[in-house]
Amino acid sequence: GQQVMQIPQYQHVQEGEDFTTYCNSSTTLSNIQWYKQRPGGHPVFLIQLVKSGEVKKQKRLTFQFGEAKKNSSLHITATQTTDVGTYFCAGQVNDMRFGAGTRLTVKP
Amino acid sequence: DGGITQSPKYLFRKEGQNVTLSCEQNLNHDAMYWYRQDPGQGLRLIYYSQIVNDFQKGDIAEGYSVSREKKESFPLTVTSAQKNPTAFYLCASSWDRGNQPQHFGDGTRLSIL
Repeated sequence: GQQVMQIPQYQHVQEGEDFTTYCNSSTTLSNIQWYKQRPGGHPVFLIQLVKSGEVKKQKRLTFQFGEAKKNSSLHITATQTTDVGTYFCAGQVNDMRFGAGTRLTVKP
Repeated sequence: DGGITQSPKYLFRKEGQNVTLSCEQNLNHDAMYWYRQDPGQGLRLIYYSQIVNDFQKGDIAEGYSVSREKKESFPLTVTSAQKNPTAFYLCASSWDRGNQPQHFGDGTRLSIL
């Protein structure tokens, strides 16, 4: 069945370092969404990518959708303590499937 | 202020007991979802509903039941058949089941007594 794999599971960085999480699907996706869940909170929608090779930016966050529409990445430049949380990708074929998430911790 | 309200925030279940988790939305969304979140496993879909009086099983529906009698309400019952119910349960809604962002409630944390 459709699966969305996300790596790494955990990432600990020093404040100011960059961070990247990767999402891979076994099947071609119609779109991919990214969510952020703060500790103790609920997932909050960040962005959606639809087109092959699409790149979108939100301040220090850069989102990419692969050419084959089977993979995606979220890159944070110069992390801040406010970036802590778990980042989830969610890929859609027929149904939406969430990756396991990458938990980011930032040391001040 | 529009959003999704889940209640209670914490819930304890005794062995052999059914418990119901509430989810209400005032976003006028057609689609609603229930997810289960366990540490390290992301979000797994339990049930979803695209429209009133319709719902479909997700990946882990066994031991759970739902109803969708009103557009704004999608309660989840965790039955005694669910042998490992301890988890964080999240309700979400979206305009439809297409490529629409999902809006999540604050979740209900269920534990076994």
